[in-house]
Amino acid sequence: DTEVTQTPKHLVMGMTNKKSLKCEQHMGHRAMYWYKQKAKKPPELMFVYSYEKLSINESVPSRFSPECPNSSLLNLHLHALQPEDSALYLCASSQEATSGPRRGEQYFGPGTRLTVT
Amino acid sequence: GDSVTQMEGPVTLSEEAFLTINCTYTATGYPSLFWYVQYPGEGLQLLLKATKADDKGSNKGFEATYRKETTSFHLEKGSVQVSDSAVYFCALSSNQAGTALIFGKGTTLSVSS
Repeated sequence: DTEVTQTPKHLVMGMTNKKSLKCEQHMGHRAMYWYKQKAKKPPELMFVYSYEKLSINESVPSRFSPECPNSSLLNLHLHALQPEDSALYLCASSQEATSGPRRGEQYFGPGTRLTVT
Repeated sequence: GDSVTQMEGPVTLSEEAFLTINCTYTATGYPSLFWYVQYPGEGLQLLLKATKADDKGSNKGFEATYRKETTSFHLEKGSVQVSDSAVYFCALSSNQAGTALIFGKGTTLSVSS
């Protein structure tokens, strides 16, 4: 099973709302990632969790708050977003392998299409 | 720092044509290289990969060979189909644990019947 699931698939929220995105994987991966993707652009890294600890925060505004409740789950809490935050939010996971055939390989979920009005 | 450069397109082909999408990289050490495909409205799917020099990754008729001497990982397919229409991203991993993929800008492929 190489599936990463994300919910919801679509989300429309106002600038004063609070919402959360959810990501789940059952591949035993110990690294999980949030990426933001604007139309016709490559994904941009937001956060990395390694063994359930935040290891990378790419200077993301505090209106985005990640959470890793356990090794299979990753959440992204959203509050007071701006219209320019509208994008596809992708979750990914990978083994913490620095050698072997799976090294560096990340599996992506289908994404949550977020629209901020 | 590490980087990936790929032809941006768009690439427009007729069905059964030969496809090449060029990808070159700059990296220290020995990165792993990937091609991901993104169909409209979907997430990224791993298409193929190579983890060391001279490795050939292949999947669904697509191939790419890790060329260390030319720092390249060009994607090829002998006969494209309409269903191959998508955005293709070349990416590398430095193989340090928990680090992000570095993506090229993506190439949009449109195949007509």
